[in-house]
Parts: sequence; structure tokens; C-alpha cells
Amino acid sequence: EPEVTQTPSHQVTQMGQEVILRCVPISNHLYFYWYRQILGQKVEFLVSFYNNEISEKSEIFDDQFSVERPDGSNFTLKIRSTKLEDSAMYFCASSGQGRNTEAFFGQGTRLTVV
Amino acid sequence: QKEVEQDPGPLSVPEGAIVSLNCTYSNSAFQYFMWYRQYSRKGPELLMYTYSSGNKEDGRFTAQVDKSSKYISLFIRDSQPSDSATYLCAMRAYNTDKLIFGTGTRLQVFP
Repeated sequence: EPEVTQTPSHQVTQMGQEVILRCVPISNHLYFYWYRQILGQKVEFLVSFYNNEISEKSEIFDDQFSVERPDGSNFTLKIRSTKLEDSAMYFCASSGQGRNTEAFFGQGTRLTVV
Repeated sequence: QKEVEQDPGPLSVPEGAIVSLNCTYSNSAFQYFMWYRQYSRKGPELLMYTYSSGNKEDGRFTAQVDKSSKYISLFIRDSQPSDSATYLCAMRAYNTDKLIFGTGTRLQVFP
């Protein structure tokens, strides 16, 4: 069964460092998303990406964050200068032919900023 | 009032019980409703996806949406210990990509 794959599963970084979280969405999907979940809190929307550009972003997704689809298979989230409060699980998701189709999530990358 | 409210539980039931999980919401623009299952430190796994009001059944799972009451439910029949997880409701309005999640209800099914 096709699935969304995320790497690494766990990343530890020092405050102020840049991190790149990687995702391989389901192959025929066209919409891509990043969500995050701070420990003990709700899953929160960060950004959606369609047709090689950001479709929508939340107020959390400030200038420190960027997304890219560098080739036909990968989708990345970059955090330029990490803060302690960026520590969270980051989930990539993808959906098919339209935004109104089901979104499938990856297993997540646990980011720990020390 | 929170946009999506969900009782955090935990809900503890014996194996074989019927489980009822619920969410209420305040935004009448929500039209797409989902239930996800999340095991500890894992990603949300889609269980049910419904559009607008009505019922949908898939195996032991039934999702109900009552838009007039702004209330959605997930029923699990013949619950199994492997159903022990956190269940997240999520919903979206028509012209947005953003899923709004509930806080999740932790379910424990004991043998």
C-alpha cells in the first residue's frame, strides 16, 4: 500500500541551527502538507503546497520556515534558525487530485531543539 | 469557544464493547470530516472520511455527521485491544487546505 515516508525519524539540533525535514509523498498525489504536533497538543497545520508553490500557510509558518519540492519525489521543510519552541513532531501529508480528497500522513519526524 | 472540541478521555472499555467517540465544532463552514487513529509517537492514520451530513460505514467503524447540531461521531463495534490508540477528529471548510484537528480522545480496550 502506498505511504508517505519521512526522514529522519528523529533529529536533534542545537538552537540556531538550520534543519531540513524530508518527505516522499505518495507518488500520484498533487497536494502536499506539513503539520506539527507539540507534545501533548493538537496537530496544527503549517503549510500546503500545490503546483510548485505554497497554496496556503498558517500564522505559525513565518519567515523561518520554507518548503521546497526539489525534484519529482521529495518535499522538504526547512527551518532556518531553530528555536526551543520548534521542538515537536512534524508530519508530512499528501492528497490526491484535489484538496477535497483524503490526506494521508507520514510517520513523522521528531525534532528536538536543545 | 474552541473551533473543535473533543473529550480527551481516557476512555477505558472491555474488549467487544461498542465505543462512541465524539467531536463538536463551531464553524458552520466545515464540510469535510475525518477520523484519524494515532498510536503513540506515530503519524495519524486515516480511518474515515465523510462529506457533509450522513453516515458512512467501513467494517467495524461507522462515522456520523450531524451538521445541524455541529456534531460528529465515530462508532467502533466489537472493540479490540489493538484499537487502543488516540482518535483524532479533523475537519475542513470547502475552500481551504487547512485541516482543523481536535485534541484527540485516548481509548483503552482491555482484554
